[in-house]
Amino acid sequence: GEDVEQSLFLSVREGDSSVINCTYTDSSSTYLYWYKQEPGAGLQLLTYIFSNMDMKQDQRLTVLLNKKDKHLSLRIADTQTGDSAIYFCAEIRFSGGYNKLIFGAGTRLAVHP
Amino acid sequence: DTEVTQTPKHLVMGMTNKKSLKCEQHMGHRAMYWYKQKAKKPPELMFVYSYEKLSINESVPSRFSPECPNSSLLNLHLHALQPEDSALYLCASSQDGGTGSTDTQYFGPGTRLTVL
Repeated sequence: GEDVEQSLFLSVREGDSSVINCTYTDSSSTYLYWYKQEPGAGLQLLTYIFSNMDMKQDQRLTVLLNKKDKHLSLRIADTQTGDSAIYFCAEIRFSGGYNKLIFGAGTRLAVHP
Repeated sequence: DTEVTQTPKHLVMGMTNKKSLKCEQHMGHRAMYWYKQKAKKPPELMFVYSYEKLSINESVPSRFSPECPNSSLLNLHLHALQPEDSALYLCASSQDGGTGSTDTQYFGPGTRLTVL
């Protein structure tokens, strides 16, 4: 994933909170996304945030956006074993008249008892 | 309904075979995408169709040939593939692919392709 960076691995205990971090480079990105991918499956849209917001909450998920530092985070409260997956951060970049999703490399979340 | 469907789920083909991957959505979206995803990597964009016209071809080899018969369907025709083309092929759709506004992409479950 060019220009979008994520840590590659995170291990948490069941019931704890998980925080997955992402940095991006294009300050003109209007929307930033989090996708979840379970083994052998496609990408599931988890949530997205508009660039003029600094926080968005959706049940156990909280997205924080620091536009000044170009930093995005996804917090999962009360992490469960079903949350074990790869989480991709992505920014939308308008280039050549079309939207392109620029993905980070993905963070593998492992939840253990 | 935010469902994108893909068939087949798995495909094994030889290097001389011709096969096709299919993708369908009924969300009224006018942009559809093909991505290739290798193991432990993020998806890589291959093609974008907007209003049934090919908008983006990310320098994909001609052995991959996309087709958009109508606004709900997207095909990827495969011919003379190489073993390194083995990957998960993901289809996605979005509202219209342009304007720079919210154009959230919804992904299908993918087709796992193995080329022998």
